[in-house]
Amino acid sequence: NAGVMQNPRHLVRRRGQEARLRCSPMKGHSHVYWYRQLPEEGLKFMVYLQKENIIDESGMPKERFSAEFPKEGPSILRIQQVVRGDSAAYFCASSPFFGGENSPLHFGNGTRLTVT
Amino acid sequence: AQSVTQLGSHVSVSEGALVLLRCNYSSSVPPYLFWYVQYPNQGLQLLLKYTTGATLVKGINGFEAEFKKSETSFHLTKPSAHMSDAAEYFCAVSDRGDSSYKLIFGSGTRLLVRP
Repeated sequence: NAGVMQNPRHLVRRRGQEARLRCSPMKGHSHVYWYRQLPEEGLKFMVYLQKENIIDESGMPKERFSAEFPKEGPSILRIQQVVRGDSAAYFCASSPFFGGENSPLHFGNGTRLTVT
Repeated sequence: AQSVTQLGSHVSVSEGALVLLRCNYSSSVPPYLFWYVQYPNQGLQLLLKYTTGATLVKGINGFEAEFKKSETSFHLTKPSAHMSDAAEYFCAVSDRGDSSYKLIFGSGTRLLVRP
């Protein structure tokens, strides 16, 4: 029973390059969330997606960041023209339903992005 | 806006001693409350949660937490620490209802267990 799968586990990019982070939710889960953890901080919400729809992107930086969850395949978090401040751990979570006490988030192991 | 405060970025206990990790939240309405554990280079694992009902919540690995509305607290305890408990622990809250997926995390407490 696979959990939330994220890849790659570690990603190194030079300033100005693009970073693509992938997330496959748990089987049966159609709701995906991305969170970012900066060094020495707790996780912060970025975006909530369902298949082919962005439901809430209130935590996404206005520029360079985008997310999608296509009908087929994993969810993708894309960061264009990365800067050093983008270095962080990016976690994906999924849930079977929309919110509520019976729909806790299940987190993946994260992708650790390092920008050199 | 909601916020979560975890007192003590590092807590050190001896093996077999009581573990107490503190969490206070600010919210006008009692939120959902969670404790997550993060082992090195891994994701977050849900330890326990409080949504409604009994205020003393039991979780995995012998941990429990008590929701105290009057103190706006949700402290995590374990009677006897084990070496394998060494990890980082995060308290989190969320609104009830439509935005319950938007967790607000504390900055974490790193638990060190001395042999």
